[in-house]
Amino acid sequence: DADVTQTPRNRITKTGKRIMLECSQTKGHDRMYWYRQDPGLGLRLIYYSFDVKDINKGEISDGYSVSRQAQAKFSLSLESAIPNQTALYFCATSDTTGTGLAGELFFGEGSRLTVL
Amino acid sequence: GDSVTQMEGPVTLSEEAFLTINCTYTATGYPSLFWYVQYPGEGLQLLLKATKADDKGSNKGFEATYRKETTSFHLEKGSVQVSDSAVYFCALSDRGGNTDKLIFGTGTRLQVFP
Repeated sequence: DADVTQTPRNRITKTGKRIMLECSQTKGHDRMYWYRQDPGLGLRLIYYSFDVKDINKGEISDGYSVSRQAQAKFSLSLESAIPNQTALYFCATSDTTGTGLAGELFFGEGSRLTVL
Repeated sequence: GDSVTQMEGPVTLSEEAFLTINCTYTATGYPSLFWYVQYPGEGLQLLLKATKADDKGSNKGFEATYRKETTSFHLEKGSVQVSDSAVYFCALSDRGGNTDKLIFGTGTRLQVFP
């Protein structure tokens, strides 16, 4: 099983619908992230969390919200989806407490969201 | 602000060819530099890193040298394989390598043909 698991892997929805993307990890890492990947734009950070009580906005947080339900779970919500939120979304984790390399992120396999 | 610029792709090579993917950066201070790789259908994974000037990161036959004088971190491999086909992302962070401060380039797709 993957260390960082995202669900769903693919989702097609309509404008105005509420969508939740879920991420769970078995790595025991304290930090978790949500990124968005668009062709020609690379990866952009949406939100990140250092622990359950610490949530921070990234570069492009407008239109998104997150919830850190537990150390191992970090979900991303689109309250009212719009077509320009069509993208590939990645969850990632990092370790600041153990022997993890500084700067190393561990990514899930991605959730492809299409908003019609 | 800090930024990373990568050469546009796709880069198309025959197996055993020499690979260079260019990356230049703009940053205040002394950033840490990274190459991440994304294989088809997968998330990104760290390929190599360098944390100070003249450091050389290496992994799986890939190398990149941190060149402060030219603000570059070009990725090279002497002989590519079909299995190297992927998208490669250059990234920078602050000197401590803080993951919340990673800035990614736009990615360069590499296609290797037999």
